[in-house]
Amino acid sequence: NAGVTQTPKFRVLKTGQSMTLLCAQDMNHEYMYWYRQDPGMGLRLIHYSVGEGTTAKGEVPDGYNVSRLKKQNFLLGLESAAPSQTSVYFCASSYTQPTGEEKLFFGSGTQLSVL
Amino acid sequence: RKEVEQDPGPFNVPEGATVAFNCTYSNSASQSFFWYRQDCRKEPKLLMSVYSSGNEDGRFTAQLNRASQYISLLIRDSKLSDSATYLCVVIWNYGQNFVFGPGTRLSVLP
Repeated sequence: NAGVTQTPKFRVLKTGQSMTLLCAQDMNHEYMYWYRQDPGMGLRLIHYSVGEGTTAKGEVPDGYNVSRLKKQNFLLGLESAAPSQTSVYFCASSYTQPTGEEKLFFGSGTQLSVL
Repeated sequence: RKEVEQDPGPFNVPEGATVAFNCTYSNSASQSFFWYRQDCRKEPKLLMSVYSSGNEDGRFTAQLNRASQYISLLIRDSKLSDSATYLCVVIWNYGQNFVFGPGTRLSVLP
């Protein structure tokens, strides 16, 4: 019952360093998302993907890149980390039920601190 | 104006109380509506969908008013375990964007 798995769970970076967050889902979902959550701001969409090989920008894409080379994986990259990117990052995937209703599943989150 | 706004909270209520949360959304083309629950340092989890006719799940009742672009969540007989942040979520482009409100924190006190 893996669902959506994010790695790593915690990471501390220095300003200017790069890293990649990995999201994997085993539910064969077409849509995948990366959100960041900051106090008082709610979850904000960084990038999303509607299928293998496709990605699109969300509300706050600057400073991030993504790739969806395989349907089950969605990678979020920070090329040059900045303190403003200190946040909790959540990956999610979704599918449309036979009722037409969307259902969203989240990973357990990554706490990233940029010093 | 934010796309989805919620009561700022926090709400501190005694056990057994009834508490109501409100949410408004700006896009009249919104298609689907949900309430999610998020425990401290955990991922959000679906609490319930919100339908135009209103729906109930045990102690929880959700209402949608499309004309006023307003969603509500009512919790009756609140339990200590209901303490969490409640997120209002709206979709207006199927499969492409779930828009989250900032959340309302609830603390149920013994």
